Amino acid sequence: GAGVSQSPSNKVTEKGKDVELRCDPISGHTALYWYRQSLGQGLEFLIYFQGNSAPDKSGLPSDRFSAERTGGSVSTLTIQRTQQEDSAVYLCASSSRQFSTGANVLTFGAGSRLTVL
Amino acid sequence: GEDVEQSLFLSVREGDSSVINCTYTDSSSTYLYWYKQEPGAGLQLLTYIFSNMDMKQDQRLTVLLNKKDKHLSLRIADTQTGDSAIYFCAEKASDSWGKLQFGAGTQVVVTP
Repeated sequence: GAGVSQSPSNKVTEKGKDVELRCDPISGHTALYWYRQSLGQGLEFLIYFQGNSAPDKSGLPSDRFSAERTGGSVSTLTIQRTQQEDSAVYLCASSSRQFSTGANVLTFGAGSRLTVL
Repeated sequence: GEDVEQSLFLSVREGDSSVINCTYTDSSSTYLYWYKQEPGAGLQLLTYIFSNMDMKQDQRLTVLLNKKDKHLSLRIADTQTGDSAIYFCAEKASDSWGKLQFGAGTQVVVTP
């Protein structure tokens, strides 16, 4: 697609429920990233995919968080047994390396705002 | 360790220049980035600079990098109301496969 697409844009859920957040990256981008943005905080790295594998999951806050990517394209971030502290905007980005400069440029989606009541 | 710090808020009059500052700690950073986030939107890349450069200019934007002090700044000339947004500084370390470390963001408010 033309940009990184995320759904849902807004999700309100009750504490204890599971949620799934979806990211559709830019076509051809092999790298995909999930970040979390909490109110007044910077962007917290969660997980990185290269193709379908996740070489870096170091940012996942707990084992309630998991993510997968299929077909080297769409990714799903799953949060099980949601807690109030999970409320945040979850941002997905995909990237391509700029061959002329070597810079890794991340293109972000608009985010999924999660509110846990 | 990796740490990127920015001031949280900047107020500027329309037509004036804005300067947003950022400090980082990872001396191995290869690229440094500025992203802009408007309300309800994702982050939009504004510009980036390679660590062997000390200045980059792109229309109204000027990026200055002091590698010795690990200090990065973004100057916006002739600031407009449309420049009101949150600006994030980010670094990519040389040993990083592509992960960017972001600061907390600077909220810029442009007043008429």
